[in-house]
Amino acid sequence: GQQLNQSPQSMFIQEGEDVSMNCTSSSIFNTWLWYKQDPGEGPVLLIALYKAGELTSNGRLTAQFGITRKDSFLNISASIPSDVGIYFCAHSNFGNEKLTFGTGTRLTIIP
Amino acid sequence: DAGITQSPRHKVTETGTPVTLRCHQTENHRYMYWYRQDPGHGLRLIHYSYGVKDTDKGEVSDGYSVSRSKTEDFLLTLESATSSQTSVYFCAISDPARRENQFFGPGTRLTVL
Repeated sequence: GQQLNQSPQSMFIQEGEDVSMNCTSSSIFNTWLWYKQDPGEGPVLLIALYKAGELTSNGRLTAQFGITRKDSFLNISASIPSDVGIYFCAHSNFGNEKLTFGTGTRLTIIP
Repeated sequence: DAGITQSPRHKVTETGTPVTLRCHQTENHRYMYWYRQDPGHGLRLIHYSYGVKDTDKGEVSDGYSVSRSKTEDFLLTLESATSSQTSVYFCAISDPARRENQFFGPGTRLTVL
């Protein structure tokens, strides 16, 4: 299957810090998605990207579809305790129901 | 929140026994999916359905079968459970217009001893 590398695997930050994570693929796709998973729950869709270069925000979260179409980035500004969780990227081609997920970035906020 | 429930939420079983997990949706979405989540692997697609009695395999379908006799229910069966099938199983649904935008259920934690 396609290789989808997500980094970093984990992050330990203090409240108020900004966060950046990214995913890179070995192939080109035309849809990138970012999900968040809280402990004991299923992933929840945060942002969907459909166009190379696209920059989309959802509150303090901003995601970008890389211009090479092989990568995507997620930034969280001014982190708060409820940002704790695992963030997953995923990609597919438009209209294709088969998603490939990254291995996740676990975000922990240090008191 | 999308109306998706999974049952059971937790199950412990023994190697060689059959296990069926149920996913129920109240959204009337045509597409339904089963994923498994394991440390270091993210979520991997097992099977999916694009309508009643219409199913297809995903990335890790060996050892699993599915059935969909009604729009609202999608069943995942492990015919003879093995320890390698210990995992957290998630059901998801999506609308045909945006199949890649998938909404997930709460998950079922399955332990095979």
